[in-house]
Amino acid sequence: EPEVTQTPSHQVTQMGQEVILRCVPISNHLYFYWYRQILGQKVEFLVSFYNNEISEKSEIFDDQFSVERPDGSNFTLKIRSTKLEDSAMYFCATSWGNYGYTFGSGTRLTIV
Amino acid sequence: GENVEQHPSTLSVQEGDSAVIKCTYSDSASNYFPWYKQELGKGPQLIIDIRSNVGEKKDQRIAVTLNKTAKHFSLHITETQPEDSAVYFCAAIGGGADGLTFGKGTHLIIQP
Repeated sequence: EPEVTQTPSHQVTQMGQEVILRCVPISNHLYFYWYRQILGQKVEFLVSFYNNEISEKSEIFDDQFSVERPDGSNFTLKIRSTKLEDSAMYFCATSWGNYGYTFGSGTRLTIV
Repeated sequence: GENVEQHPSTLSVQEGDSAVIKCTYSDSASNYFPWYKQELGKGPQLIIDIRSNVGEKKDQRIAVTLNKTAKHFSLHITETQPEDSAVYFCAAIGGGADGLTFGKGTHLIIQP
């Protein structure tokens, strides 16, 4: 069964540093998303990306966050200047239409 | 925006018994309701979904019911097995939004 692949599985970064999380979507999927899950809490929507641009973002997705698909395959989430409260699991999800999302296994981001 | 409430937060059932998890949503424009299973250290995995033009959907031991008037939907697992132990999340989307709104999750424990 096709999978969404995320790297790295675990990232430890110093506060104030930049971090880039990577995702390889399922090949025929057109919609890409980032979600995060703070330990013990629910999964929260960050941003959706379609046709090479952001189509929707949540209040969490402030100016410190950005997304891009630089080479037509990888889909990345960049946090410019990390804060302690950015520590969470970050999940990439992709879909061929508006529904039927497939989630990756996530990147555990720890800010120290 | 959408708000999804999920109950209970923890559910313990004897192996072989049935489990029911309930969710309510606030946005009457929501039209897609997926259920996800999350095992430790993994991303959410879609187990069943329902659209607002359908009242019930079944897939082997798993079923989902939707009451649009009352704005609630439920997950039913029959003949529970140890491998059903996990955290289950309900979610909702619709009304032109891109991002899923998740419930807080139910930790399902199957007692042998």
